[in-house]
Amino acid sequence: DSGVTQTPKHLITATGQRVTLRCSPRSGDLSVYWYQQSLDQGLQFLIQYYNGEERAKGNILERFSAQQFPDLHSELNLSSLELGDSALYFCASSAVQGLNTGELFFGEGSRLTVL
Amino acid sequence: LAKTTQPISMDSYEGQEVNITCSHNNIATNDYITWYQQFPSQGPRFIIQGYKTKVTNEVASLFIPADRKSSTLSLPRVSLSDTAVYYCLVAPSGGSYIPTFGRGTSLIVHP
Repeated sequence: DSGVTQTPKHLITATGQRVTLRCSPRSGDLSVYWYQQSLDQGLQFLIQYYNGEERAKGNILERFSAQQFPDLHSELNLSSLELGDSALYFCASSAVQGLNTGELFFGEGSRLTVL
Repeated sequence: LAKTTQPISMDSYEGQEVNITCSHNNIATNDYITWYQQFPSQGPRFIIQGYKTKVTNEVASLFIPADRKSSTLSLPRVSLSDTAVYYCLVAPSGGSYIPTFGRGTSLIVHP
């Protein structure tokens, strides 16, 4: 158990819909990272938050957005869903803003299926 | 950021030692080398990290030659449960860094 909690574990929805994925980082971790993993793309970095502020953006679509709340949990919002958005979405947390010698702790992921 | 290159896949048998080599020719002086393991439908898990020479823990060993242009993750006496994808990352110290995982090496352990 990494200490990172993601909900829901599985989600099935239709194209055009909007979903919200939630992540609770390890106790005390200030950094939250979101990754998308699909069969053909590998593990892709989406966005990072540190103590409530956006710190880095990766290949995140404009239809996707995220935020980190004062209690440090984070939500990833995916809207106007397309079939290609079907993937595993992972949240990870770390104690520091950037990984120097620290490690990244991943949740078990949220599997999104868009029909 | 240093680019890493590792084999796409490897096959082994139970009880054998497995060595996965990662090439990182343009590694910087302050870069550390980190390996993660990912089982199907699970998030990656930190295995080991090192800067130079050899690091060993209860899971694996990491060998880093003097020039640090490559590193080798060694898994002793693998079992079926070691079937996973293994990622090599090079992490600079200082400032912000976003872990980039690439495709990793898919290790399949056969009975």
